[in-house]
Amino acid sequence: AQSVTQPDIHITVSEGASLELRCNYSYGATPYLFWYVQSPGQGLQLLLKYFSGDTLVQGIKGFEAEFKRSQSSFNLRKPSVHWSDAAEYFCAVGARKAAGNKLTFGGGTRVLVKP
Amino acid sequence: DAGVTQSPTHLIKTRGQQVTLRCSPKSGHDTVSWYQQALGQGPQFIFQYYEEEERQRGNFPDRFSGHQFPNYSSELNVNALLLGDSALYLCASSLRGGNQPQHFGDGTRLSIL
Repeated sequence: AQSVTQPDIHITVSEGASLELRCNYSYGATPYLFWYVQSPGQGLQLLLKYFSGDTLVQGIKGFEAEFKRSQSSFNLRKPSVHWSDAAEYFCAVGARKAAGNKLTFGGGTRVLVKP
Repeated sequence: DAGVTQSPTHLIKTRGQQVTLRCSPKSGHDTVSWYQQALGQGPQFIFQYYEEEERQRGNFPDRFSGHQFPNYSSELNVNALLLGDSALYLCASSLRGGNQPQHFGDGTRLSIL
């Protein structure tokens, strides 16, 4: 069975500082990997995805993530955080099946941005 | 181009009642998935529909059922509501296939009294 762990429940970062959110997954092979962001009272917005190829993927809003097979990790990074980045971030894994794209989510990391 | 729309946005029910939540997928998408997000937790997969049939199901009891219509829209039904069913219910749509990213609606907040 697939699973996702996000070790940090809360992270506080100063505006303009760098941000890194950790994600570890458990899956029998190389999965599909996703990062989503959720603002209060809203649904989830896709930030980026990894399917294959280059292990460093670029997403929207200046985010990037690096897939490391040896560490079963898919950490999200942003070089300089803006106040609007305050939100909850979810890492998710999808199975490599011909049909069906069920996602398994981690528990999320809430990011607070200090002025 | 409208994204995923869900209705209603908020709903209050009492224990034992039944509820129906609705979802219209993003234009061009044929697959709809439903997730339950309890407060402070990540979304949990309930089930997925395409071609009007349930194709995958998560670890949820039979009280949770669904339907997909020919226009790809979908309903989630929950019977015999429990206090623990209070959550944000998210609908996601995509094209069929494991490598297709899912697009989420803003959810329906269900409160059980």
